[in-house]
Amino acid sequence: QKEVEQNSGPLSVPEGAIASLNCTYSDRGSQSFFWYRQYSGKSPELIMSIYSNGDKEDGRFTAQLNKASQYVSLLIRDSQPSDSATYLCAVILYGNNRLAFGKGNQVVVIP
Amino acid sequence: NAGVTQTPKFQVLKTGQSMTLQCAQDMNHNSMYWYRQDPGMGLRLIYYSASEGTTDKGEVPNGYNVSRLNKREFSLRLESAAPSQTSVYFCASSLSGGGYEQYFGPGTRLTVT
Repeated sequence: QKEVEQNSGPLSVPEGAIASLNCTYSDRGSQSFFWYRQYSGKSPELIMSIYSNGDKEDGRFTAQLNKASQYVSLLIRDSQPSDSATYLCAVILYGNNRLAFGKGNQVVVIP
Repeated sequence: NAGVTQTPKFQVLKTGQSMTLQCAQDMNHNSMYWYRQDPGMGLRLIYYSASEGTTDKGEVPNGYNVSRLNKREFSLRLESAAPSQTSVYFCASSLSGGGYEQYFGPGTRLTVT
């Protein structure tokens, strides 16, 4: 099993809709989880961090963490064309304190 | 504050040439990292420095060396570039190791011919 998996293909959502992204991780001891946004040709930009089970909201973004099921998700409400980007899930691995990244999910918001 | 800066932005090397990628941060962070990003492979850790004076190998260290020059600066050296090292290189920093958030520089796009 890969350390961090983001299996969904490109996601197309109409403007104003909710975009939902999922991520699973293999290290049960992991405690720190992050979502990064990466525009084409740019560097990853941290948009959310979450450390406890449950939901964490920041503006139009909500991160959800379920450690028992080993998944973390990101919801983008009221999606805007400026949200079109690749979203990277990242997890600090308990075993070696390394930040492991998923391969990312591309989101396209259609006006 | 500039955050994390990297030079150069772009570089083309011939096989066997050497070069050093420079990274600096002005956030008073203790830990610094070098990643490479390749299509279909995601971001992979090359080397990291948990604190000034220490460096450790990451997931893909072969062909690279690093120097933590001081608390602000962390350089990555390719001694003899190979086409397999064609990639986008990102430097990142965090307050400390462990669960702290990492912040990325703008990247260096390297092509080895």
